[in-house]
Amino acid sequence: AQKVTQAQTEISVVEKEDVTLDCVYETRDTTYYLFWYKQPPSGELVFLIRRNSFDEQNEISGRYSWNFQKSTSSFNFTITASQVVDSAVYFCALSEGLFSGGYNKLIFGAGTRLAVHP
Amino acid sequence: SAVISQKPSRDICQRGTSLTIQCQVDSQVTMMFWYRQQPGQSLTLIATANQGSEATYESGFVIDKFPISRPNLTFSTLTVSNMSPEDSSIYLCSVEIWTDMNTEAFFGQGTRLTVV
Repeated sequence: AQKVTQAQTEISVVEKEDVTLDCVYETRDTTYYLFWYKQPPSGELVFLIRRNSFDEQNEISGRYSWNFQKSTSSFNFTITASQVVDSAVYFCALSEGLFSGGYNKLIFGAGTRLAVHP
Repeated sequence: SAVISQKPSRDICQRGTSLTIQCQVDSQVTMMFWYRQQPGQSLTLIATANQGSEATYESGFVIDKFPISRPNLTFSTLTVSNMSPEDSSIYLCSVEIWTDMNTEAFFGQGTRLTVV
């Protein structure tokens, strides 16, 4: 069965600190996608990254970086030099397999609420 | 990318009534998904809606409570029927779009429902 675990319920940091959000997933499929989304207080879901199961390269986008390790079934997200605007709930999600050329439903983790204080 | 418009953005409803949420996409899509996010919780898939066929519901969700329509490739509605306070949630529609040989999941801005 699919499962996504975000063990950190809430994290509080001071601005400019680095912070890592953990994500551990379970799946029996060999083909799957992993996602990270940001949900600011306004409520919309902002897409951050998608990674497919065949691409274990880490990715960096500005202050954001992602570490995908299939050996530990983890897809962790690091924010470098955090800013107040990074305060939000962050969700990790998993999608198994390919359906009609695309992805299947998303299974979300419980989310991690990040508070960045000035 | 895709632009997804959801209406209404929020509503306060009386228990026992029904609310229909609309989701409009600016391009044709095969699959549309409806999710529920209860207060302080994660997102849970309600159902998958393909054009021209009955929606597929996840465990714990039934058609009588959450009827879905999918009349064409750009539009879908979700109705929350016979509402109770436990239905107070954010409801989001989502679509998959192929971009640059990859698929991406886009979400509407959500409908924040409060049942009193």
